[in-house]
Amino acid sequence: EPEVTQTPSHQVTQMGQEVILRCVPISNHLYFYWYRQILGQKVEFLVSFYNNEISEKSEIFDDQFSVERPDGSNFTLKIRSTKLEDSAMYFCASSEGSSGGELFFGEGSRLTVL
Amino acid sequence: QQQVKQSPQSLIVQKGGISIINCAYENTAFDYFPWYQQFPGKGPALLIAIRPDVSEKKEGRFTISFNKSAKQFSLHIMDSQPGDSATYFCAARKGSARQLTFGSGTQLTVLP
Repeated sequence: EPEVTQTPSHQVTQMGQEVILRCVPISNHLYFYWYRQILGQKVEFLVSFYNNEISEKSEIFDDQFSVERPDGSNFTLKIRSTKLEDSAMYFCASSEGSSGGELFFGEGSRLTVL
Repeated sequence: QQQVKQSPQSLIVQKGGISIINCAYENTAFDYFPWYQQFPGKGPALLIAIRPDVSEKKEGRFTISFNKSAKQFSLHIMDSQPGDSATYFCAARKGSARQLTFGSGTQLTVLP
């Protein structure tokens, strides 16, 4: 069964450092997403990406965040200068494209900022 | 107005019992209401979803009940099993928007 894969599974970084989280969406999917989940809290939308540009973003997705699809398979989330409050589980998701399309989530990348 | 409120925060049910999780929303533009199941260390996985043109949808032991006038929807798990123990999130999406708004989650424990 096709799946969304994410790397790394866990990353520990110092405050102020840059972090890149990587995702390989399901191959025939057209929409890509990043969500985050702070420990014990709800899943929050960060950004959606379609046709090589951001289609929607939340208030959380400020100038410290960026997304990129550097090649035909990877989808990355970059946090330019990490803060303590960026510590969370980051989930990548993808969907086929229709407005009713199911989102398929990866297993997440846990980011710990010290 | 973007919030989806979910209750209870945690739920303990005996094996074979019925688990009921409730969600309420305010934004009438929401038109797609999925439920996600999340096991520890895993990403959320779609369990079942409903659109407001129907009042109920059933898939196996899982049923969504939808009350459009009250702006509420609920997940019923019949004959709950220990393997159902997980965190359940309701969510909502409006129109052509891509983002899902999630509820705060319910940690379900089914005792053997």
